[in-house]
Amino acid sequence: DTGVSQDPRHKITKRGQNVTFRCDPISEHNRLYWYRQTLGQGPEFLTYFQNEAQLEKSRLLSDRFSAERPKGSFSTLEIQRTEQGDSAMYLCASSSGQPTYEQYFGPGTRLTVT
Amino acid sequence: GEDVEQSLFLSVREGDSSVINCTYTDSSSTYLYWYKQEPGAGLQLLTYIFSNMDMKQDQRLTVLLNKKDKHLSLRIADTQTGDSAIYFCARGQDTGRRALTFGSGTRLQVQP
Repeated sequence: DTGVSQDPRHKITKRGQNVTFRCDPISEHNRLYWYRQTLGQGPEFLTYFQNEAQLEKSRLLSDRFSAERPKGSFSTLEIQRTEQGDSAMYLCASSSGQPTYEQYFGPGTRLTVT
Repeated sequence: GEDVEQSLFLSVREGDSSVINCTYTDSSSTYLYWYKQEPGAGLQLLTYIFSNMDMKQDQRLTVLLNKKDKHLSLRIADTQTGDSAIYFCARGQDTGRRALTFGSGTRLQVQP
Protein backbone atom coordinates (compact mmCIF):
# COMPACT_ATOMS: atom_id res chain seq x y z
CA ASP A 1 0.00 0.00 0.00
CA THR A 2 1.41 3.39 -0.98
CA GLY A 3 -0.43 5.46 1.59
CA VAL A 4 -3.01 8.21 1.19
CA SER A 5 -3.07 9.85 -2.23
CA GLN A 6 -4.72 13.09 -3.32
CA ASP A 7 -5.45 14.54 -6.72
CA PRO A 8 -4.72 17.11 -8.02
CA ARG A 9 -1.69 18.32 -6.08
CA HIS A 10 -2.22 21.89 -7.23
CA LYS A 11 -5.26 23.72 -8.53
CA ILE A 12 -5.49 27.31 -9.70
CA THR A 13 -8.98 28.57 -10.38
CA LYS A 14 -10.78 31.84 -10.91
CA ARG A 15 -13.15 33.18 -8.30
CA GLY A 16 -16.65 31.84 -8.81
CA GLN A 17 -15.61 28.55 -10.40
CA ASN A 18 -16.31 25.13 -8.90
CA VAL A 19 -13.49 22.75 -7.99
CA THR A 20 -13.41 19.10 -6.92
CA PHE A 21 -10.63 17.27 -5.11
CA ARG A 22 -10.18 13.53 -4.69
CA CYS A 23 -8.69 11.51 -1.85
CA ASP A 24 -7.83 7.81 -1.92
CA PRO A 25 -7.28 6.54 1.64
CA ILE A 26 -5.21 3.59 2.78
CA SER A 27 -7.30 0.66 1.61
CA GLU A 28 -8.22 -0.96 4.92
CA HIS A 29 -8.99 2.33 6.70
CA ASN A 30 -12.67 2.96 7.39
CA ARG A 31 -12.24 6.50 8.76
CA LEU A 32 -11.52 9.44 6.45
CA TYR A 33 -10.98 13.07 7.38
CA TRP A 34 -10.66 16.34 5.50
CA TYR A 35 -8.66 19.23 6.96
CA ARG A 36 -7.78 22.69 5.69
CA GLN A 37 -4.44 24.35 6.32
CA THR A 38 -3.69 28.02 5.71
CA LEU A 39 -0.23 29.56 5.67
CA GLY A 40 1.49 29.53 9.05
CA GLN A 41 -1.24 27.52 10.74
CA GLY A 42 -1.88 23.94 11.68
CA PRO A 43 -4.56 21.94 9.88
CA GLU A 44 -8.18 22.53 10.92
CA PHE A 45 -10.84 19.83 10.84
CA LEU A 46 -13.50 20.10 8.11
CA THR A 47 -15.41 16.82 7.98
CA TYR A 48 -15.26 13.13 8.86
CA PHE A 49 -16.54 9.91 7.29
CA GLN A 50 -16.85 6.49 8.81
CA ASN A 51 -17.22 4.14 5.89
CA GLU A 52 -19.66 5.92 3.55
CA ALA A 53 -21.43 7.93 6.26
CA GLN A 54 -20.51 11.58 6.77
CA LEU A 55 -20.80 11.81 10.53
CA GLU A 56 -19.68 15.33 11.29
CA LYS A 57 -19.03 18.66 9.63
CA SER A 58 -17.14 21.59 11.10
CA ARG A 59 -18.63 25.07 11.21
CA LEU A 60 -15.76 25.95 8.83
CA LEU A 61 -17.57 23.97 6.14
CA SER A 62 -19.94 26.48 4.59
CA ASP A 63 -22.87 25.54 2.33
CA ARG A 64 -20.57 25.93 -0.67
CA PHE A 65 -18.60 22.88 0.43
CA SER A 66 -19.79 19.32 -0.03
CA ALA A 67 -18.03 16.03 0.52
CA GLU A 68 -18.89 12.48 -0.43
CA ARG A 69 -17.47 9.04 0.10
CA PRO A 70 -19.44 6.66 -2.10
CA LYS A 71 -19.05 2.99 -1.20
CA GLY A 72 -16.73 3.90 1.66
CA SER A 73 -13.65 4.05 -0.53
CA PHE A 74 -12.35 7.27 -2.11
CA SER A 75 -13.74 10.65 -1.14
CA THR A 76 -14.35 13.89 -3.01
CA LEU A 77 -14.50 17.43 -1.68
CA GLU A 78 -16.26 19.99 -3.88
CA ILE A 79 -16.18 23.74 -3.43
CA GLN A 80 -18.79 25.70 -5.37
CA ARG A 81 -18.46 29.38 -6.30
CA THR A 82 -14.92 29.59 -4.98
CA GLU A 83 -13.80 32.70 -3.12
CA GLN A 84 -10.28 34.02 -2.53
CA GLY A 85 -10.60 33.02 1.13
CA ASP A 86 -10.84 29.39 0.04
CA SER A 87 -7.17 29.47 -0.99
CA ALA A 88 -5.46 26.91 1.25
CA MET A 89 -3.98 23.44 1.38
CA TYR A 90 -6.69 20.77 1.61
CA LEU A 91 -5.46 17.68 3.40
CA CYS A 92 -7.03 14.25 3.57
CA ALA A 93 -6.23 11.71 6.28
CA SER A 94 -7.32 8.17 6.95
CA SER A 95 -7.37 6.00 10.04
CA SER A 96 -8.21 2.45 10.98
CA GLY A 97 -9.58 3.59 14.33
CA GLN A 98 -8.81 1.50 17.38
CA PRO A 99 -6.63 1.16 19.28
CA THR A 100 -4.47 4.20 18.60
CA TYR A 101 -6.63 6.24 16.20
CA GLU A 102 -3.55 7.64 14.48
CA GLN A 103 -4.23 9.42 11.22
CA TYR A 104 -2.11 9.20 8.08
CA PHE A 105 -2.13 12.20 5.79
CA GLY A 106 -1.93 12.55 2.05
CA PRO A 107 0.30 15.11 0.30
CA GLY A 108 -2.53 17.64 0.08
CA THR A 109 -4.12 19.70 -2.69
CA ARG A 110 -3.01 23.31 -2.79
CA LEU A 111 -5.84 25.54 -4.04
CA THR A 112 -5.21 29.06 -5.29
CA VAL A 113 -8.24 31.18 -6.11
CA THR A 114 -7.41 34.23 -8.25
CA GLY B 1 -6.12 25.23 17.38
CA GLU B 2 -6.06 27.88 20.09
CA ASP B 3 -6.10 25.20 22.78
CA VAL B 4 -2.84 23.67 21.57
CA GLU B 5 0.11 26.05 21.70
CA GLN B 6 3.66 25.76 20.43
CA SER B 7 6.60 28.11 20.15
CA LEU B 8 7.10 29.32 16.58
CA PHE B 9 10.76 28.75 15.91
CA LEU B 10 13.78 26.74 17.08
CA SER B 11 17.30 26.84 15.71
CA VAL B 12 19.93 24.23 16.59
CA ARG B 13 23.30 23.10 15.30
CA GLU B 14 23.71 19.78 13.56
CA GLY B 15 24.49 17.05 16.07
CA ASP B 16 22.82 18.84 19.00
CA SER B 17 19.55 17.76 20.59
CA SER B 18 16.34 19.63 19.75
CA VAL B 19 13.46 19.99 22.18
CA ILE B 20 10.11 21.14 20.84
CA ASN B 21 7.46 22.03 23.39
CA CYS B 22 3.68 21.99 23.32
CA THR B 23 0.99 22.87 25.84
CA TYR B 24 -2.70 22.01 25.65
CA THR B 25 -5.77 22.90 27.64
CA ASP B 26 -8.11 19.91 27.23
CA SER B 27 -7.09 17.34 29.80
CA SER B 28 -9.54 14.77 28.47
CA SER B 29 -7.41 13.95 25.43
CA THR B 30 -6.29 10.36 25.52
CA TYR B 31 -3.96 10.49 22.54
CA LEU B 32 -1.30 13.06 21.68
CA TYR B 33 0.64 13.04 18.41
CA TRP B 34 3.67 14.61 16.77
CA TYR B 35 3.73 15.26 13.03
CA LYS B 36 6.45 16.58 10.72
CA GLN B 37 5.75 18.68 7.64
CA GLU B 38 8.34 19.52 5.00
CA PRO B 39 7.76 22.41 2.55
CA GLY B 40 4.85 21.80 0.20
CA ALA B 41 4.17 18.35 1.60
CA GLY B 42 1.58 16.63 3.74
CA LEU B 43 2.04 15.66 7.36
CA GLN B 44 4.16 12.69 8.38
CA LEU B 45 3.22 10.96 11.63
CA LEU B 46 6.33 10.73 13.79
CA THR B 47 5.08 9.27 17.04
CA TYR B 48 2.25 9.33 19.55
CA ILE B 49 1.77 8.87 23.26
CA PHE B 50 -1.17 7.81 25.39
CA SER B 51 -2.17 9.93 28.35
CA ASN B 52 -1.41 7.09 30.76
CA MET B 53 2.26 7.22 29.75
CA ASP B 54 4.95 9.64 30.89
CA MET B 55 7.55 8.90 28.26
CA LYS B 56 7.95 7.12 24.95
CA GLN B 57 11.18 6.57 23.08
CA ASP B 58 11.45 5.68 19.40
CA GLN B 59 14.98 5.68 18.00
CA ARG B 60 16.14 9.33 18.01
CA LEU B 61 12.78 10.59 19.24
CA THR B 62 11.74 10.91 22.88
CA VAL B 63 8.30 12.16 23.89
CA LEU B 64 7.72 13.40 27.42
CA LEU B 65 4.24 14.03 28.82
CA ASN B 66 3.53 16.02 31.99
CA LYS B 67 -0.19 15.53 32.50
CA LYS B 68 -0.36 17.81 35.53
CA ASP B 69 1.03 20.77 33.59
CA LYS B 70 -0.55 19.64 30.27
CA HIS B 71 2.86 19.86 28.67
CA LEU B 72 4.20 17.67 25.88
CA SER B 73 7.70 17.74 24.44
CA LEU B 74 9.51 16.09 21.56
CA ARG B 75 13.24 15.60 21.83
CA ILE B 76 15.24 14.80 18.71
CA ALA B 77 18.68 13.43 19.47
CA ASP B 78 21.64 14.07 17.13
CA THR B 79 19.64 16.49 15.00
CA GLN B 80 20.43 16.35 11.29
CA THR B 81 19.87 18.87 8.49
CA GLY B 82 17.16 16.54 7.16
CA ASP B 83 15.22 17.18 10.36
CA SER B 84 14.63 20.79 9.29
CA ALA B 85 10.85 21.07 8.96
CA ILE B 86 7.74 22.25 10.79
CA TYR B 87 6.69 20.07 13.71
CA PHE B 88 3.07 19.93 14.82
CA CYS B 89 1.72 18.77 18.13
CA ALA B 90 -1.86 17.46 17.97
CA ARG B 91 -4.34 16.19 20.49
CA GLY B 92 -6.96 13.62 19.61
CA GLN B 93 -10.60 14.09 20.49
CA ASP B 94 -11.43 11.58 23.16
CA THR B 95 -14.64 10.21 21.68
CA GLY B 96 -16.66 10.14 18.50
CA ARG B 97 -14.97 11.42 15.40
CA ARG B 98 -11.50 11.47 16.98
CA ALA B 99 -10.55 14.52 14.95
CA LEU B 100 -7.19 16.11 15.66
CA THR B 101 -6.65 19.61 17.02
CA PHE B 102 -3.28 20.98 15.97
CA GLY B 103 -0.97 23.65 17.26
CA SER B 104 0.39 26.27 14.86
CA GLY B 105 3.64 24.36 14.44
CA THR B 106 7.28 24.91 15.39
CA ARG B 107 9.74 25.56 12.60
CA LEU B 108 12.99 23.72 13.30
CA GLN B 109 16.06 25.06 11.55
CA VAL B 110 19.19 22.90 11.72
CA GLN B 111 22.40 24.72 10.98
CA PRO B 112 25.39 22.76 9.64
